[in-house]
Order: sequence, then C-alpha cells, then structure tokens
Amino acid sequence: KNEVEQSPQNLTAQEGEFITINCSYSVGISALHWLQQHPGGGIVSLFMLSSGKKKHGRLIATINIQEKHSSLHITASHPRDSAVYICAVLGGATNKLIFGTGTLLAVQP
Amino acid sequence: IAGITQAPTSQILAAGRRMTLRCTQDMRHNAMYWYRQDLGLGLRLIHYSNTAGTTGKGEVPDGYSVSRANTDDFPLTLASAVPSQTSVYFCASRILAGASGGELFFGEGSRLTVL
Repeated sequence: KNEVEQSPQNLTAQEGEFITINCSYSVGISALHWLQQHPGGGIVSLFMLSSGKKKHGRLIATINIQEKHSSLHITASHPRDSAVYICAVLGGATNKLIFGTGTLLAVQP
Repeated sequence: IAGITQAPTSQILAAGRRMTLRCTQDMRHNAMYWYRQDLGLGLRLIHYSNTAGTTGKGEVPDGYSVSRANTDDFPLTLASAVPSQTSVYFCASRILAGASGGELFFGEGSRLTVL
C-alpha cells in the first residue's frame, strides 16, 4: 500500500461543476502540498498546509490531521483546470516528501 | 533568471553516453531536489541537497550523481546512460526551515530519451 493515496485517479467533469480530489496518507506529517501539472507542462505549487483550510481564487484545500486526509476543491470548474493534481506529504520523522501518483482531471466545456 | 531553470528541455542520447542535466535557482533556497516522473509511478526522488556542500540519496539514486558546489546550482549527471533512465526529470527547490519548510518550486522539466 502506498503511503500517499489519491482518489479518484481519473475524473471527468462538466464545466461549472464543483470538484473534489482526495488525498489520504498513512505517515505522520508536518505539511501537505497540492501541486498542479498541465499536460506536457511543468509543475506548480497550489497550496502548502499543515492544518485547517486555505483558499486561493476558486481553489480550496483542507486538511484533517487526525484523520490523515486532505481534500482539494475546485468551484465553478473550467476547461483550463484540466490537469494532473498531485498530493505530496512532508514526512514528519524523515523530512522527506512523499508523492501520490496524481489525479487526472478533465473538465469538458 | 526568475525562479528555477532546467536545461536542456529535451535530449535524445545513445546508451552509454554521459549526460548532465543542469538546474539553477535564484531564490536562495537551501534545499534542492531531483525527481524523475514516469507514467503510473508519480514523482520519485533521485537525489537531494539540504544545503550547499551536502547531498543525499533518494529512493532511486543508482546510475545518477549530483553535486552542490554553491546555493544556486544542482546538476544531475548520468555517468553511462541506460534505456531505463528514459524519463522526465524535474528539479525542485524550497526553503528548508522550521518544521515544514516552504513552498515547492519546480523547473519546467527535462525530457530524456536513452536509445
């Protein structure tokens, strides 16, 4: 079992829909990162969080440390949101980043 | 330079050849990383450096070496390339301070094909 699991692996949505991507982890962490990668493109950081909730535009990230779970929400989704979304946790004991395999999101017009 | 830069963006080379992927950042980040990204496997850490002058092995270090002579540069060398090293390589950096450190910054990636 991977230490970081994302669900779903693939997601297709219609423009305007509310989207949720989940990340569960099995190790103690000091922080969690959400990253975005467009097809054939580079990787950009969306959020880094260690507790609670953060919001940036139409994106919201939440984390529940007790349940070892984080969610990334996209409100009013748009085709330009189509990308791979990657969850990465910073292991508290090792200080090493552990990556999930990503969620491929396709938003259709 | 703004942020983190990798070169080359794409390269095809013959097996057995030596290759160095370059990575430079101008953000004065102390921590730098090299990852490879393969379909279905996600990002895997090859080598890392927490500060200039020090390096460490990640989960897939075999066949690769790195150096960190200064804060800005973190080159990755394949001494004798093999086809299994065909991949997309990403360099990343961040501030390493406190319990969680800072946000991750990635280069644009280097697509390497070994024939």
